[in-house]
Amino acid sequence: EVQLVESGGGLVQPEGSLRLSCAASGFTFRNYELNWVRQAPGKGPEWISYISGSGSAIYYADSVKGRFTISRDNAKNSLYLQMNTLRAEDTAVYYCARTHGNFRFFDYWGQGTLVTVSS
Amino acid sequence: DIQMTQSPSTLSASAGDRVTITCRASQSISSWLAWYQQKPGKAPKVLIYKASVLESGVPSRFSGSGSGTEFTLTINSMQPDDFATYYCQQYNSYPRTFGQGTKVEIK
Repeated sequence: EVQLVESGGGLVQPEGSLRLSCAASGFTFRNYELNWVRQAPGKGPEWISYISGSGSAIYYADSVKGRFTISRDNAKNSLYLQMNTLRAEDTAVYYCARTHGNFRFFDYWGQGTLVTVSS
Repeated sequence: DIQMTQSPSTLSASAGDRVTITCRASQSISSWLAWYQQKPGKAPKVLIYKASVLESGVPSRFSGSGSGTEFTLTINSMQPDDFATYYCQQYNSYPRTFGQGTKVEIK
């Protein structure tokens, strides 16, 4: 069974940093592309970052470019999101989501981890 | 960036009703569109991909159609479990973008 489990969320002050993790199981991790998708309270989902299976290709949404860094450790079956210079508008539930191998939609999602940026 | 616009934002329906939700892309995305269902406190769950392909395990009362810039999600005979928020999402190009959502409420 495919499982994605996020961790690392919490309350952080503006301008602060946080590192999210996503532990994967139930599939051959290195063969799949992964994403971070966030959802602010009462809003729709917002894709924020992508990483290829090898880690060689990475994309970011403009809203986080230069502040967030996606990475993965295929030996540990783990995905990460380093978030720096956090702003109030970064407050959201953060999901890791797997890209379907052939059709590119998000076929599995984690349960999410809440990040609250507030003083 | 490709903008995805859903309509309506909210709709009220009764069990047994047929419901149609529309999603419009700001430029052609061929058939690279997915529909997700989301319930409060849960992650989105894919229903339809490639505009019209039903994800495994999803009830056949859900169907999708369209290509290019106009897409629809139809739910035939709404069931109590179907009251939720629905999102379309394009995966034609980066950044991936979602519609703003359609909340289907009980009438």
